[in-house]
Amino acid sequence: EAQVTQNPRYLITVTGKKLTVTCSQNMNHEYMSWYRQDPGLGLRQIYYSMNVEVTDKGDVPEGYKVSRKEKRNFPLILESPSPNQTSLYFCASSLTDGNQPQHFGDGTRLSIL
Amino acid sequence: QKEVEQNSGPLSVPEGAIASLNCTYSDRGSQSFFWYRQYSGKSPELIMSIYSNGDKEDGRFTAQLNKASQYVSLLIRDSQPSDSATYLCAVTPSNTNAGKSTFGDGTTLTVKP
Repeated sequence: EAQVTQNPRYLITVTGKKLTVTCSQNMNHEYMSWYRQDPGLGLRQIYYSMNVEVTDKGDVPEGYKVSRKEKRNFPLILESPSPNQTSLYFCASSLTDGNQPQHFGDGTRLSIL
Repeated sequence: QKEVEQNSGPLSVPEGAIASLNCTYSDRGSQSFFWYRQYSGKSPELIMSIYSNGDKEDGRFTAQLNKASQYVSLLIRDSQPSDSATYLCAVTPSNTNAGKSTFGDGTTLTVKP
């Protein structure tokens, strides 16, 4: 089954404790992206990757890091999480770039205390 | 001015009626336009994509694009209670920045039986 898999689905942690949210897709997609969604707001893009080893900032990159060492994986790293990063996070992928429809993972709900 | 704006909701229509969802965007060079549906607690899923001026129909859904007016809309005919969800408009700014993807805040639709 074609899918984007995120882990963990839920995480409660404390300020300053480094964490990684993994994202993997099995569709051989070139493009992957991370979004956060806060109540009443749409999706805001954090980082995106057009290809392996190619990443770029979205609209809200502060406090986040990403890497794209393999085509299928695009982890999101919070080096020193803070409470304002409490949010619902979605990973997405598309065949080539943002001009193609994106397939979303099920989301990761992060709570930073 | 926000890059992508959707008509403020919530929107409530009776079952069987036409629901009209609107979206305006600021970047005149935008190339690709998408409507996603998001049920509460779930991830966004693609409803329609549209790339050229005019109408595009898929079952009960019609997307309309007017690049001169920088306007894209989604019509849902014969609305069903199962259409109750938040609808997100997404725009890819331009081919020179094909990795960026900007979403509106969403319009919540309720279809009443």
